[in-house]
Amino acid sequence: EAGVAQSPRYKIIEKRQSVAFWCNPISGHATLYWYQQILGQGPKLLIQFQNNGVVDDSQLPKDRFSAERLKGVDSTLKIQPAKLEDSAVYLCASSLQGGSTEAFFGQGTRLTVV
Amino acid sequence: RKEVEQDPGPFNVPEGATVAFNCTYSNSASQSFFWYRQDCRKEPKLLMSVYSSGNEDGRFTAQLNRASQYISLLIRDSKLSDSATYLCVVENYGGSQGNLIFGKGTKLSVKP
Repeated sequence: EAGVAQSPRYKIIEKRQSVAFWCNPISGHATLYWYQQILGQGPKLLIQFQNNGVVDDSQLPKDRFSAERLKGVDSTLKIQPAKLEDSAVYLCASSLQGGSTEAFFGQGTRLTVV
Repeated sequence: RKEVEQDPGPFNVPEGATVAFNCTYSNSASQSFFWYRQDCRKEPKLLMSVYSSGNEDGRFTAQLNRASQYISLLIRDSKLSDSATYLCVVENYGGSQGNLIFGKGTKLSVKP
């Protein structure tokens, strides 16, 4: 079974530029998460989707971050404009149904903002 | 108080040692609990779920104390391959569905 796919694996941008990350979850998984992991810290939840609806985006910095999950499958996360403190690994995860079921993670996108 | 707090670590232990990780959570309504493992520069992967009755998987034992809002993970007979960061994970309800909140993680290094 194919796992969670993310692209790109690495991205280097200058501050104030824009960047987008893509995620394709495991087939049949209704729940999709985006996490931000800063070096030395645990993953921090940015946004959770159930099918194509947002369940929780309380920790998403909405002045610069946006995310969508069209058709309830693939998802994109965008940062515009990027700041130095956005340098992190952005992890996408999916699960069958919410937080009571195992979340499977993609390999992540390592973003460096210079 | 942070939602999920873990021992800061790192833990440096010799092969064969027994090591215990502790975790506390703030939301008493949380229903599901997990330990995930994250290898260096890799994604987190589920190690085991944690049940109220406690559960064991080989050398790994997880326990939950709902009254104290406390979760533990015990690793017996440590192997070099156990070296990783161990993440305590709690299901919280931020909307209509639960989501997963991660602790900061505790790094374990097992030495020969």
